[in-house]
Amino acid sequence: DTEVTQTPKHLVMGMTNKKSLKCEQHMGHRAMYWYKQKAKKPPELMFVYSYEKLSINESVPSRFSPECPNSSLLNLHLHALQPEDSALYLCASSQGGHYNSPLHFGNGTRLTVT
Amino acid sequence: GEDVEQSLFLSVREGDSSVINCTYTDSSSTYLYWYKQEPGAGLQLLTYIFSNMDMKQDQRLTVLLNKKDKHLSLRIADTQTGDSAIYFCADESEYGNKLVFGAGTILRVKS
Repeated sequence: DTEVTQTPKHLVMGMTNKKSLKCEQHMGHRAMYWYKQKAKKPPELMFVYSYEKLSINESVPSRFSPECPNSSLLNLHLHALQPEDSALYLCASSQGGHYNSPLHFGNGTRLTVT
Repeated sequence: GEDVEQSLFLSVREGDSSVINCTYTDSSSTYLYWYKQEPGAGLQLLTYIFSNMDMKQDQRLTVLLNKKDKHLSLRIADTQTGDSAIYFCADESEYGNKLVFGAGTILRVKS
């Protein structure tokens, strides 16, 4: 069982909808990540939060808006998405702050934009 | 920029050993990781190796690192049908928190 929990597991939304993806970890990790993964491709980094501050934004379109309310929670707010945004969205966490801090992934939210 | 490459597909018979290969370009790599992804699931951390090590063994898994050639391999002994999955190698970039993933190797185990 993964120690990083993501909800919902599946999400179907229209291009005018607003929805949020949620991620939670209770390992005391201080870094949290959003990745996007298309079928048969490796994960692509979107955002990194370190100690609840956004430290990396990989030039992600503004229709994706991350939020880190506290060190255990990470949200990804979605608005006006496009069909090409359909993918598996993975959350991960790590101890953060130093090397050899392996990432622990959740099982992802499979998003379909219609 | 940094690049990580893997062979795309490997098919083995149950009980045989599997060897998945990976090459990377970042000469300042500190840690290299292997992740497993089963259908419909996230990535599971299998093992990792520090760049000053040549080999690491963990039960059925053996990681070999040739730092001179920037070549990493994962050997799975006595491969089982449950090992069928996509295997990603990943390089920890000089920025620490950022991983660079290879394209993934699909391992198919035939019974």
